[in-house]
Amino acid sequence: GAVVSQHPSRVICKSGTSVKIECRSLDFQATTMFWYRQFPKQSLMLMATSNEGSKATYEQGVEKDKFLINHASLTLSTLTVTSAHPEDSSFYICSARDPGWEKLFFGSGTQLSVL
Amino acid sequence: GQQLNQSPQSMFIQEGEDVSMNCTSSSIFNTWLWYKQDPGEGPVLLIALYKAGELTSNGRLTAQFGITRKDSFLNISASIPSDVGIYFCAGQPLANEKLTFGTGTRLTIIP
Repeated sequence: GAVVSQHPSRVICKSGTSVKIECRSLDFQATTMFWYRQFPKQSLMLMATSNEGSKATYEQGVEKDKFLINHASLTLSTLTVTSAHPEDSSFYICSARDPGWEKLFFGSGTQLSVL
Repeated sequence: GQQLNQSPQSMFIQEGEDVSMNCTSSSIFNTWLWYKQDPGEGPVLLIALYKAGELTSNGRLTAQFGITRKDSFLNISASIPSDVGIYFCAGQPLANEKLTFGTGTRLTIIP
C-alpha cells in the first residue's frame, strides 16, 4: 500500500519557538493532504486541508496564523506551529489521498511537547 | 467538529474471544472506513466499505456498512494479543471529501 512519511516523530521545544512538521507521500502524488490533531485518549480532529499550489482550508476554530501550512509540491506538505505554547502539545498526524487507490493513508504522527 | 458515536468506548477481553464494536451517525455517509491505531503511531486502514449493506472481511476482521448508511459494525474473531489498540471508524459523505472520525474503541486483552 501507499506510504506516507512524517517527520519528526517526536519534538520537544521551548514555549515561544516554532516547530515544522513534514509530511511526504513516498510513492504517489498527493494533491490533497490533511492535518489532524489528537489529544491523549481522544479521537483525531481535522485541523486543515492542504491543497497543492493553493491556500490551505482550515476547520472552524483553528488559527491559520498559528498553524501555517505549505503544500509546495505534490509530495510534500508542511505544518508549522508558530510561537508554540504548552497547550499546543499534542499528537499531530498527516494523511494523504492516493488517487490511484482513492484511500487515505496516514503518517506515523508527530508528538509535540512544548515546555 | 463533528464526531461519530462509537461504542463501546473500551473493551477488556480474553485472548480468543470475539469482539464487536459499532459506529453510528446522525447523517448519511457513502463510505465507511475502519482504522486501528497503536500507541504513538498513525491510524492504519483495516477495511473500507463503499456500499450500503456491504459486508467485507480482512482475515479475522469483518465489517459491515449499515443499510441506513448511518452506521457501521466491526467484528474481530478469535482475538490475539496484537489486536490490542484503538479502533476508529470514519465516515465520508462523498468521494474526496474529508473524513469524520469516531470516538474510538480501546481494546485490551487480559492475560
